[in-house]
Amino acid sequence: AQKVTQAQTEISVVEKEDVTLDCVYETRDTTYYLFWYKQPPSGELVFLIRRNSFDEQNEISGRYSWNFQKSTSSFNFTITASQVVDSAVYFCALSEPTGNQFYFGTGTSLTVIP
Amino acid sequence: DVKVTQSSRYLVKRTGEKVFLECVQDMDHENMFWYRQDPGLGLRLIYFSYDVKMKEKGDIPEGYSVSREKKERFSLILESASTNQTSMYLCASSLPSPGANTGELFFGEGSRLTVL
Repeated sequence: AQKVTQAQTEISVVEKEDVTLDCVYETRDTTYYLFWYKQPPSGELVFLIRRNSFDEQNEISGRYSWNFQKSTSSFNFTITASQVVDSAVYFCALSEPTGNQFYFGTGTSLTVIP
Repeated sequence: DVKVTQSSRYLVKRTGEKVFLECVQDMDHENMFWYRQDPGLGLRLIYFSYDVKMKEKGDIPEGYSVSREKKERFSLILESASTNQTSMYLCASSLPSPGANTGELFFGEGSRLTVL
């Protein structure tokens, strides 16, 4: 069965600290897609990144970086030099090949303290 | 700017009332979804639709129905609202896969429903 686990429910860091949000997934498919979404206090989920199962190359976008490891079924998200604006709930998600089903983790609430 | 618009940000209804939550997207997306978000449970799929007049049950369809008469509009209906349906409801749309656009969901701002 498809499943996404975000074991960290809440994380608090002081501004400028680095923080890593963990995501572990389960799937029987060989082709799948992994995502991270950010949900700020305003409520609208914002797409951050998509990764397909054949691309294990890590990605960096500014202060954000993602580490995809198929061997451990993990897709972790690191924010470097965190800022108050990074405070949000972050969701990891898995999509099966048709794109008709998405499986979300329970989310990690990140608070960055000034 | 691409947009998914949900008709109401906040609603308060009474038990037994019929509730309509409307969602409109302007991206010509085939796929549309209704999720429910509750603390500690993440997002749970209620229904999705991959074409006009087509619908598929998600993980928690009980107590809900949907309507998709036009490609851009996907409505969620609570026939007889109950207090356990108090929640945040999120609408999303996406292009179908496979393809370079596979999977990215575009979300509305959410509708927070309180059933008294």
